[in-house]
Amino acid sequence: DVKVTQSSRYLVKRTGEKVFLECVQDMDHENMFWYRQDPGLGLRLIYFSYDVKMKEKGDIPEGYSVSREKKERFSLILESASTNQTSMYLCAISRRGDNYEQYFGPGTRLTVT
Amino acid sequence: RKEVEQDPGPFNVPEGATVAFNCTYSNSASQSFFWYRQDCRKEPKLLMSVYSSGNEDGRFTAQLNRASQYISLLIRDSKLSDSATYLCVVIAKTGGFKTIFGAGTRLFVKA
Repeated sequence: DVKVTQSSRYLVKRTGEKVFLECVQDMDHENMFWYRQDPGLGLRLIYFSYDVKMKEKGDIPEGYSVSREKKERFSLILESASTNQTSMYLCAISRRGDNYEQYFGPGTRLTVT
Repeated sequence: RKEVEQDPGPFNVPEGATVAFNCTYSNSASQSFFWYRQDCRKEPKLLMSVYSSGNEDGRFTAQLNRASQYISLLIRDSKLSDSATYLCVVIAKTGGFKTIFGAGTRLFVKA
C-alpha cells in the first residue's frame, strides 16, 4: 500500500504566523506535489518537486515556498499566513515520469484566523 | 473554457441503479486518464485508470473517446457506499506534462 503522511490533520494559525506543513512518503517516489482544495475551485497545484532540492512553481505559488532536502520529505511553508490561505492542503506523490497516477496524503485542514 | 470539465451534479440515484458520468477535456494531446473518488473531507483516491480499450473493475467501467475528447465512468448496481465525489483526471502535454483535475461530480445513492 502507498503510504503518504502529513504532519497534521487540522491546524489553526493566526494571521502573520509562519506555517510549516510536512509531507512524508515511504514509496521512494521521485515526484511530490502540494495542492490546495477549495469548494467550487477543485484542486490547484501550488508547487511540485521532481527530485531532492528541486522545485517548480505550480499554478498558485504566491505566498508559499517549499523545501525538499530529502527524497521522502516535501515541506510547504507559508511565510506569513493570511486568511485567504484557509484551505485543505493535500500532498501527493507519483513515480518518475510524466504519465503516472498520483497518490494523496490525508490532507491538512488549515484555518487562519 | 476549462481544460477538464465535469457536470458537478449532484446525481441522486436509488440503490441498484446504473449511473454514468462524463468528463470532457480540451487538449487533444492528452496522454493519460484516470478516475478518482473523494469522500467528504477525505483525500482523493485512485479509482481506476482509463485505457484506450476501456477498463472494467467489478461494477465500474471506464471508457475513453479520443475523437470526441471525453472519458466516462459507469457504475452498475449502485451501493450506498458509492456516494462520493468522482474526479476526472487528465495528464496533458502543455509544453511539459501537466496533471489536470476536474472539479468533480457529486453522487448520492439513496436507500
